[in-house]
Amino acid sequence: EIVLTQSPGTLSLSPGERATLSCRASQTVSSAYLAWYQQKPGQAPRLLIYGASNRATGIPDRYRGSGSGTDFTLTISSLEPEDFAVYYCQQYAGSPPFMCSFGQGTKLEI
Amino acid sequence: QVQLQESGPGLVKPSETLSLTCTVSGSSITSGYFWGWVRQTSGQGLEWIGVINHHGITYYNPSLKRRVTLSVDTSKEQVSLKLGSATAADTAIYFCTRDRGPARPLYTDTWGQGTLVTVSS
Repeated sequence: EIVLTQSPGTLSLSPGERATLSCRASQTVSSAYLAWYQQKPGQAPRLLIYGASNRATGIPDRYRGSGSGTDFTLTISSLEPEDFAVYYCQQYAGSPPFMCSFGQGTKLEI
Repeated sequence: QVQLQESGPGLVKPSETLSLTCTVSGSSITSGYFWGWVRQTSGQGLEWIGVINHHGITYYNPSLKRRVTLSVDTSKEQVSLKLGSATAADTAIYFCTRDRGPARPLYTDTWGQGTLVTVSS
C-alpha cells in the first residue's frame, strides 16, 4: 500500500500570500494517478488537480500542481479568502489491484 | 450535471450490516466510470473504501475487503455499499464518488454530499 504524507499539517498564511503544500509518497506514483482536493467545513471534497498538474473544470489558474515520482506539490499563487480550507492529495496504484489512498490533509488557515 | 445522492439508515447497531445506496443522476451508470465510496471519521481524513464499474469489476481497500461488498443496479442507476460486522469505528460520513475510467480508476471527479452513519446500540 502506498502511503501519502502531506506537509505541513497546518499552514497559516494571509490573503495575497503564496501557499506551497507538499505530498510525499512512500513509493513512486505515476503522475497520471495523482490528484488534489479541497474540502471546506460541512462540504464534500472538490477536485482541484488531476494528473498531477491538470486543473479541473472551473478551477482558477492560481492553483498549480507539479511534481513527479514521490514528491508532488500544490501551489496557490496568491491566496483568496475562499482558499482557506483543508487540502488532500490522492493516488491510485499504477497496476492491479488498483488501490487508492489519500494523504492526511493540510489545513490552510488564516 | 452529474449528481450523486447517498441514502440509508443514519443509525446502525454494532455487529449489524451498514447498508447505503447512491443514486446517480445526470450520468449513466453504464458509462465509462467507476463508482465508489469514501468515508471520513469525525475531524479526520479520508479513507477509500472501494470502487465498482457497471461490469461488476471491483477494487477494495485491503483493510476493509473482508467486510465490504459493492454492487450496481443499472436499471435503477444505483450503487450500493454493504459493510458487515459494523463497529463504532465505522461511524463516519460516507461519500459516494464517481471516478474517471474506463479501463481503470484514475481519480475521483465527483462527490456526493455525504451521509452520516453512526454505529451505536
